[in-house]
Amino acid sequence: DVKVTQSSRYLVKRTGEKVFLECVQDMDHENMFWYRQDPGLGLRLIYFSYDVKMKEKGDIPEGYSVSREKKERFSLILESASTNQTSMYLCASSLWTGGGAMIGASDTQYFGPGTRLTVL
Amino acid sequence: KQEVTQIPAALSVPEGENLVLNCSFTDSAIYNLQWFRQDPGKGLTSLLLIQSSQREQTSGRLNASLDKSSGRSTLYIAASQPGDSATYLCAAKNFISNFGNEKLTFGTGTRLTIIP
Repeated sequence: DVKVTQSSRYLVKRTGEKVFLECVQDMDHENMFWYRQDPGLGLRLIYFSYDVKMKEKGDIPEGYSVSREKKERFSLILESASTNQTSMYLCASSLWTGGGAMIGASDTQYFGPGTRLTVL
Repeated sequence: KQEVTQIPAALSVPEGENLVLNCSFTDSAIYNLQWFRQDPGKGLTSLLLIQSSQREQTSGRLNASLDKSSGRSTLYIAASQPGDSATYLCAAKNFISNFGNEKLTFGTGTRLTIIP
């Protein structure tokens, strides 16, 4: 079974602190994703990465950065945490599908358990 | 830009009843549509994935259908049980580049409560 782990289930930080959220997957997936989930807004994509050292902005990248130095690990960084970054953060991974014309078997995203971050 | 809507936001039904959860999406050029389950404070668990060329998928008491032309998907749960209580999210997948970079757009979910 695919396993996606996140470094912390609960985290409390103060405004202005630098925050690191770590995600590790054990299935050699190329794609990794960071989402945040807020009531009434659903899951929103922050950043994704389709290869080591590669990253792409999602819908809400402002205030965040990411790092992918190894294939299995994708880190989300809050350079200076703010109260509006209090949220549930979810990491996911998936197998690269090889392009839109090369459709393979089912290619779900596998999610970690989430990190509930509170910024005071 | 893809938008995914799930109505109602919450649903309560007595144990044993069959029920249908709804999902609609605005961009029909999807690659697949996926249904997830989320328990309180937890991550997402994939339930069913329907490829764009398929009409439905079944797993046990769950059946998901897809109608791309009308931009709708439904999740049918038969003989509901208290353990089915959770939030159910649907997500539409589109490709955003020629390199297979994908994007899932999620609905805000339906919180389902099964009353014993």
